[in-house]
Amino acid sequence: ILNVEQSPQSLHVQEGDSTNFTCSFPSSNFYALHWYRWETAKSPEALFVMTLNGDEKKKGQISATLNTKEGYSYLYIKGSQPEDSATYLCAFDTGGGNKLTFGTGTQLKVEL
Amino acid sequence: ETGVTQSPTHLIKTRGQQVTLRCSSQSGHNTVSWYQQALGQGPQFIFQYYREEENGRGNFPPRFSGLQFPNYSSELNVNALELDDSALYLCASSLDSRPETQYFGPGTRLLVL
Repeated sequence: ILNVEQSPQSLHVQEGDSTNFTCSFPSSNFYALHWYRWETAKSPEALFVMTLNGDEKKKGQISATLNTKEGYSYLYIKGSQPEDSATYLCAFDTGGGNKLTFGTGTQLKVEL
Repeated sequence: ETGVTQSPTHLIKTRGQQVTLRCSSQSGHNTVSWYQQALGQGPQFIFQYYREEENGRGNFPPRFSGLQFPNYSSELNVNALELDDSALYLCASSLDSRPETQYFGPGTRLLVL
């Protein structure tokens, strides 16, 4: 059974704060690591798909890094805004084909 | 919006009943996956269909079954419902040319009493 862990479980920050979350996954049989952003009552939205060790990806004020040798990925949000409030999920893909194993997510609340 | 819709949004059933959940994907999305998210958990992979054939299955019993249709819609069927089947059910689809990007629907919340 694959174990994908995310920390922290939840986070409250003030507007303008920068924050980061961790996703840990097995370092063997790695194919890809996905990050999703999921706002309440909406569909999960793909943020990044990361495949190479050392990969860094950026989308606006959100960025992610990947370390496949040690089995972790970090997601950073610079200057959080209330609209960044969401659950951030990571998902591990062992063989392509998008049969994903998800973590339980980090719930971010950005307050004014 | 992702262009993937699911129906119904909410559903209440009793133990032992059968349920069919529906998903409608964008044109050209030949791959559809279904996930179950129980309370407090991350989504769990149920199965995947590619061009109307099952293309992989997670750790779910045979009473979970699916169908995919040529018009890019799909169904998840669950027989003999159990209380533990209460969850949010998500479908996700992708294009052959960009298989790494999945588009999720908003989910169907099923409550089994």
